Amino acid sequence: QVQLQEAGPGLVRSSGTLSLTCAVSGGSIDSNNWWTWVRQPPGKGLEWIGEIYHSGTTNYNPSLKSRVTISIDKSKNQFSLRLTSVTAADTAVFYCARTGYMSGRYFDYWGQGTLVTVSS
Amino acid sequence: SYELIQAPSVSVSPGQTASITCSGDKLGDKYACWYQQKPGQSPVLVIFQDSKRPSGIPERFSGSNSGNTATLTISGTQAMDEADYYCQAWDSSTVVFGGGTKLTVL
Repeated sequence: QVQLQEAGPGLVRSSGTLSLTCAVSGGSIDSNNWWTWVRQPPGKGLEWIGEIYHSGTTNYNPSLKSRVTISIDKSKNQFSLRLTSVTAADTAVFYCARTGYMSGRYFDYWGQGTLVTVSS
Repeated sequence: SYELIQAPSVSVSPGQTASITCSGDKLGDKYACWYQQKPGQSPVLVIFQDSKRPSGIPERFSGSNSGNTATLTISGTQAMDEADYYCQAWDSSTVVFGGGTKLTVL
């Protein structure tokens, strides 16, 4: 059973950089899956941030692309999110997730989520 | 950019059939999937590739996708099905979520 666990600061200063990691257990991050970050502002819907493949290939949400970097560390079986120049609008629960094996993008395993608050 | 449109809310009586729709340009040409999210919990995949159910998802959940509309159908809706439901598709290397539909069972 694959498990994902987000980790990182729960509070980030406005204009600073948000950094989170997602540790993967029960499976290899080197498998034929994409690894994804999704966020959800309090009381709002889901927003896709971006994804990474074990080769290092990434895809990002065009609306966030200029501020987002997703990286992968195969030695630690984890991947990371970096979001720069944050504002209060970036306050959200951040989820990491695994994309399933079959065609199309769908997320079959999710982390529990971590709330990140951007403060001034 | 690609958009998926969902009604904000749907109500259904226990035991009845709930239909939640998701609209997008030529959505039927893409794969659609659906997530259930209960308060304070992570989303759970209930339908992928338009109509497939992951292991452990009850048979009362089904899906279809044609034209511009994908539909999640819950037959014999139970109180435990009350949740937010999100559709999702993939277009031009970008994942898109619908705005979500709150299903109320009353």
